[in-house]
Amino acid sequence: GAVVSQHPSRVICKSGTSVKIECRSLDFQATTMFWYRQFPKQSLMLMATSNEGSKATYEQGVEKDKFLINHASLTLSTLTVTSAHPEDSSFYICSAEGLAGGKNEQFFGPGTRLTVL
Amino acid sequence: KQEVTQIPAALSVPEGENLVLNCSFTDSAIYNLQWFRQDPGKGLTSLLLIQSSQREQTSGRLNASLDKSSGRSTLYIAASQPGDSATYLCAGGLSNDYKLSFGAGTTVTVRA
Repeated sequence: GAVVSQHPSRVICKSGTSVKIECRSLDFQATTMFWYRQFPKQSLMLMATSNEGSKATYEQGVEKDKFLINHASLTLSTLTVTSAHPEDSSFYICSAEGLAGGKNEQFFGPGTRLTVL
Repeated sequence: KQEVTQIPAALSVPEGENLVLNCSFTDSAIYNLQWFRQDPGKGLTSLLLIQSSQREQTSGRLNASLDKSSGRSTLYIAASQPGDSATYLCAGGLSNDYKLSFGAGTTVTVRA
């Protein structure tokens, strides 16, 4: 149980295009999902907290108009990188908050590798 | 905000040696602490989760401890194997928002 999927796993796009990444909780409902970004040889940095039915909360320094987050259902959150540029190339990982053993835990997706040419 | 630090950044040991990985955090009001494994170019594999009310968790050759008063967690890997080579990340969250703050990781190489 507690499986989180991401699609696509890898995407290459041209500079200036927009890319949508999906994060799904497959066997549980998640009112809260999180989006992280990881640059090569660095750790995960939280970008935003996505709440079902409301606006996402962005961390300091993350442009909300560039990284659009939609959490339209209890099992799906999407991250759209608008007008992508090479500096947006990164590994994007989502997590979904769920209950395990009566306690809240974050379950992580496998990540999406974005390369902007 | 929780600040998480991992030392050392890299570690190389011969096969069979026990591994000790350190993680420190700044806020003792920690909700839980998780240890993850990440292979190159891959996502995260959750290894152990310690709730704030617990002092340690064990899974096979892995044991993780949590000392809130000193702001430290330690991951022990017994009898290391080449397959244990990976980057190990620790992450801690605060109880008011469940956000996780990650350390920079310790990259482990186990030499055959």
